[in-house]
Amino acid sequence: KAGVTQTPRYLIKTRGQQVTLSCSPISGHRSVSWYQQTPGQGLQFLFEYFSETQRNKGNFPGRFSGRQFSNSRSEMNVSTLELGDSALYLCASSRGTVARDEQFFGPGTRLTVL
Amino acid sequence: SQQGEEDPQALSIQEGKNATMNCSYKTSINNLQWYRQNSGRGLVHLILIRSNEREKHSGRLRVTLDTSKKSSSLLITASRAADTASYFCAVPWGGSEKLVFGKGTKLTVNP
Repeated sequence: KAGVTQTPRYLIKTRGQQVTLSCSPISGHRSVSWYQQTPGQGLQFLFEYFSETQRNKGNFPGRFSGRQFSNSRSEMNVSTLELGDSALYLCASSRGTVARDEQFFGPGTRLTVL
Repeated sequence: SQQGEEDPQALSIQEGKNATMNCSYKTSINNLQWYRQNSGRGLVHLILIRSNEREKHSGRLRVTLDTSKKSSSLLITASRAADTASYFCAVPWGGSEKLVFGKGTKLTVNP
C-alpha cells in the first residue's frame, strides 16, 4: 500500500507570495490533517478534513486555509507569506478521527520564506 | 500551554542500554499516542494506548499509562543506533478531536 505523499518536498518563496501544498493520503483513509513544525513552536495542528469537510482548526490566522477533494486528496494554501511561515509542513492521514486512530505521516514539505 | 509534555528534552545513552522517556498531560484523555521522527522527516506512529489500558508492548517498545497521574512512559529496551530520533507523545486536546503533540524527547544512542 502506498504511503502518504506530499508535493513538493521543498519550496522557496518570498514574503508576500502565496503557496499551495498538496497531500495524497493512503487509499481508503478519509481523514487528512495538516501540521506545522518549527524549532521554536514544535508541532502545531493546523486543521483536519474528513470527507471534504473541515472538522477541526488550530490557532492559525486566516492566511492558512485548506480543502479536501472527493478522492480525499488535500491541499493547503498559505497567502501573503511571512518569514515566520518558514517551517516543515506535515500531512497525515487516518481511517477515522484524528484523535482516536493512528495517523500516517507524509515526508513533509520544507517551506523557506525569504 | 502544551497538552502533552515530554521529559527529558534530550537523552543520550550507550547502545544496548534502555531508554525511558515520559509524557505528562493536563486533561482527561481517551487515548495517548507515541510517534518517532528521524531528523527532519515525517513522523512514524509507534503505539496508541487507550485510557482503559495500563501497558502495551510492541517489539522492544513498552508504553505505560497512568491516568490518575496523567502521565505515560515509553521504554525502549536494548537500544540501537538506529533508535536515534525524536520521540513525541500526542493526546487529544480536551474534548475535541484535535491532536496535540509535545515538544519531544531527542534521543541519541551512541555506538
